[in-house]
Amino acid sequence: DTGVSQNPRHKITKRGQNVTFRCDPISEHNRLYWYRQTLGQGPEFLTYFQNEAQLEKSRLLSDRFSAERPKGSFSTLEIQRTEQGDSAMYLCASSPPWGLAGAPYEQYFGPGTRLTVT
Amino acid sequence: AQSVTQPDIHITVSEGASLELRCNYSYGATPYLFWYVQSPGQGLQLLLKYFSGDTLVQGIKGFEAEFKRSQSSFNLRKPSVHWSDAAEYFCAVGANTGNQFYFGTGTSLTVIP
Repeated sequence: DTGVSQNPRHKITKRGQNVTFRCDPISEHNRLYWYRQTLGQGPEFLTYFQNEAQLEKSRLLSDRFSAERPKGSFSTLEIQRTEQGDSAMYLCASSPPWGLAGAPYEQYFGPGTRLTVT
Repeated sequence: AQSVTQPDIHITVSEGASLELRCNYSYGATPYLFWYVQSPGQGLQLLLKYFSGDTLVQGIKGFEAEFKRSQSSFNLRKPSVHWSDAAEYFCAVGANTGNQFYFGTGTSLTVIP
């Protein structure tokens, strides 16, 4: 297993354009999380999936943001009509389900997608 | 509400010196506590975690942390710092529903020869 992967690693877009990021979690991890990290800050929670169900969304996730996890595998995060304030690192993490050896709440992070909105 | 405070924005230590990074949390129930490290261009890597039991936990790369419930703290320590430890360190508390982590703002560590 190669860990959590995210694509693209970098994205530069013009204000008003739509962008989509992809996250592939560690196989057999049924929990998937999206975070946003701006310069000098810690990651901030955006949304959480358990299998294909989106169970929680932060108020940071405005109506321009949408996330999906079809079939409970990979996930996509789409930002519509991007704004300069959306420039940040978008991190994806996954964690195993209850009952597996190890920590049920331990989150494994991907390398992130750095978004720059010009 | 859950929150994490890392009082030190930036710390500089000499290689070989000891290190302590502070973390205070606010959480109404038994906390699940974590320390992550982030190097430039890299994702967050878990150093160690505390769920229950022994309040002194050992992690990777020679790090340890001590959970002190009375002080709501989970400070990270290392007896002898290596130049490769220079990075950003984040403390996090996990909700008991397992649906999100709350991160501190991070402490940037510089190691001087």
